[in-house]
Amino acid sequence: DVKVTQSSRYLVKRTGEKVFLECVQDMDHENMFWYRQDPGLGLRLIYFSYDVKMKEKGDIPEGYSVSREKKERFSLILESASTNQTSMYLCASSRAGTGREKLFFGSGTQLSVL
Amino acid sequence: DAKTTQPPSMDCAEGRAANLPCNHSTISGNEYVYWYRQIHSQGPQYIIHGLKNNETNEMASLIITEDRKSSTLILPHATLRDTAVYYCIVINYGGSQGNLIFGKGTKLSVKP
Repeated sequence: DVKVTQSSRYLVKRTGEKVFLECVQDMDHENMFWYRQDPGLGLRLIYFSYDVKMKEKGDIPEGYSVSREKKERFSLILESASTNQTSMYLCASSRAGTGREKLFFGSGTQLSVL
Repeated sequence: DAKTTQPPSMDCAEGRAANLPCNHSTISGNEYVYWYRQIHSQGPQYIIHGLKNNETNEMASLIITEDRKSSTLILPHATLRDTAVYYCIVINYGGSQGNLIFGKGTKLSVKP
C-alpha cells in the first residue's frame, strides 16, 4: 500500500521551541506539500516542493521553513513556535506531470504550542 | 483557478445514494473537477476527477453538466463510513504543480 508517513500523530511544544515535522513518502513522488488545517478555515498550503532542494511558498509561509534534502522526505520547520501555530499539519505528495493533482495525504500531526 | 461553491452540510440515509452538488460557474475549458473527502482525524483522500465526461470508479460517480458549470458526486449506496467532509476542487491541469486550494467542503452525515 502506498504511504505518506508523518513522524508524529500528536506533538506538544512550548512557545519559542524549534519544531521539526517530518514526512516520508514511499511512492517516489516528485511533489510534496505541507498544509495546515484549522476549524472554519479549511486546508491552507504552507509550502510545497517539486524537486529535491526546491521549494515554493504557499499561501501562509510566514513563520515556517522547509527542507527537502532527499526525494522521499519533506520537513516542515517552525523556527520559534508560537501559540498561533497550534494546528493540524498535513503532508501530501503527488507525482509530477499527468496526475499531479492526485494528492496522497498522511494522517496528520496535531501540534499544540503552549 | 475557478472558485467552487458547495452546501455546508447534507444528510443521507444509510444504503441510499448520496448526491453532493458543486457549483463552479467560472470554470474554464482546461480546468478539471477533482473531488476529495476527509474522514474525521484523517488526511484527505482522493475520490475522482473529470473534465467534461461523466466518470465512474470503485468509490463514486461524477456527473458534470454539459456547460460544465456544476457537477455532482454520487455515492451510490452510502454507508456510515462515508460520513466525511467532501471537497470539490477545480484546477487548471497544466497550470500548477499540483498545489490544490481546498475550500470548506460539504459535511456529509450518513445516518442509520
